[in-house]
Amino acid sequence: NAGVTQTPKFRVLKTGQSMTLLCAQDMNHEYMYWYRQDPGMGLRLIHYSVGEGTTAKGEVPDGYNVSRLKKQNFLLGLESAAPSQTSVYFCASSDTQTSGRARNEQFFGPGTRLTVL
Amino acid sequence: KQEVTQIPAALSVPEGENLVLNCSFTDSAIYNLQWFRQDPGKGLTSLLLIQSSQREQTSGRLNASLDKSSGRSTLYIAASQPGDSATYLCAVRGAGGTSYGKLTFGQGTILTVHP
Repeated sequence: NAGVTQTPKFRVLKTGQSMTLLCAQDMNHEYMYWYRQDPGMGLRLIHYSVGEGTTAKGEVPDGYNVSRLKKQNFLLGLESAAPSQTSVYFCASSDTQTSGRARNEQFFGPGTRLTVL
Repeated sequence: KQEVTQIPAALSVPEGENLVLNCSFTDSAIYNLQWFRQDPGKGLTSLLLIQSSQREQTSGRLNASLDKSSGRSTLYIAASQPGDSATYLCAVRGAGGTSYGKLTFGQGTILTVHP
């Protein structure tokens, strides 16, 4: 099992450009999450999904959009990138909280390092 | 709003020492608590997961305890090795309401184990 994978690993954008970050998991997890990690701010939740076709806002959703068309994929979009979105982006997944045997342990991908000039 | 604090922010110890990392959280309504390890430039690796009904979990040289009522968790590392050098992150998962399913992270403890 590959676990959680992220594409791309690195990206440099100019202000105003758009891009999509792809997250894929092969653990059949219901829940998926997008976080950003910034020095001094720790990890903060951007958006999350509790199942295919669902999305919800996290702590810092402004400037981002997400889609969960397939259970195994969770996409994070930046429509018009800004320098404040320079960060390391992590995707994570976990099993469902309603399952009796669920551990709800979150597994993280390797991250995408994004620089917006 | 849940807040997670980790103490100390950084720790440098000689190889072989036993050490304790501390994590405190303000809202005791948690579902579980997870300890992660992050190497420089890498993702997060889950070390231990403690459910809210549990008191401790062990994996090899690592032992994590949870006192939910006082809002505290500790990560104990026995016989530390240079390979343990990394940032250790504590995260709590909310039990309901607006915090449902969300992990709130501490700022981390940067651990350096020197030979």
